[in-house]
Amino acid sequence: GDSVTQMEGPVTLSEEAFLTINCTYTATGYPSLFWYVQYPGEGLQLLLKATKADDKGSNKGFEATYRKETTSFHLEKGSVQVSDSAVYFCASGNNAGNMLTFGGGTRLMVKP
Amino acid sequence: DTGVSQDPRHKITKRGQNVTFRCDPISEHNRLYWYRQTLGQGPEFLTYFQNEAQLEKSRLLSDRFSAERPKGSFSTLEIQRTEQGDSAMYLCASSLEGGGAETQYFGPGTRLLVL
Repeated sequence: GDSVTQMEGPVTLSEEAFLTINCTYTATGYPSLFWYVQYPGEGLQLLLKATKADDKGSNKGFEATYRKETTSFHLEKGSVQVSDSAVYFCASGNNAGNMLTFGGGTRLMVKP
Repeated sequence: DTGVSQDPRHKITKRGQNVTFRCDPISEHNRLYWYRQTLGQGPEFLTYFQNEAQLEKSRLLSDRFSAERPKGSFSTLEIQRTEQGDSAMYLCASSLEGGGAETQYFGPGTRLLVL
């Protein structure tokens, strides 16, 4: 079945540091790929998505590129802020639109 | 757009009791999903409705679990004879069918603790 693997956390960075959170997937066919974020005490929110190979999703300074050749969708941000502290989940979605497969989540802590 | 709502937000029950959770999706969304999330893990898919039809169920959904969406709007998830291993966050999500992996919008979840 489909699976998503992302780097374990926590990831601790200083403010304005560069962020990379790795995500790789296995899937039949060509899934859509998502990054969701869960801020403390809140529900899951979509951060960005990409629906086909070489697409780049971006939002709030975060970016991720759908790499079919390496089956990856790594999340990056050039300069993190304290307010980015949260848990980040990578997910793949089948093209029938009926379920998401999530990675285990990566906790990011940004220190001032 | 009031978002996906879930009720209750927290539930504590004793082993062996039945519990029922409710999810109200975004009003125009015809797809509704249930997921379960245990501490430190990502959400795991449980089941999915398109309108009132339950189209897919995970093997995680044992026969003690039942979900309904009788009028294609709100949904309920019932767990019978709860066990301590059922303790988790139960998440509901909804989406508007769009011919692909459309965005799922998540509710705040119901946290269940089985004593």
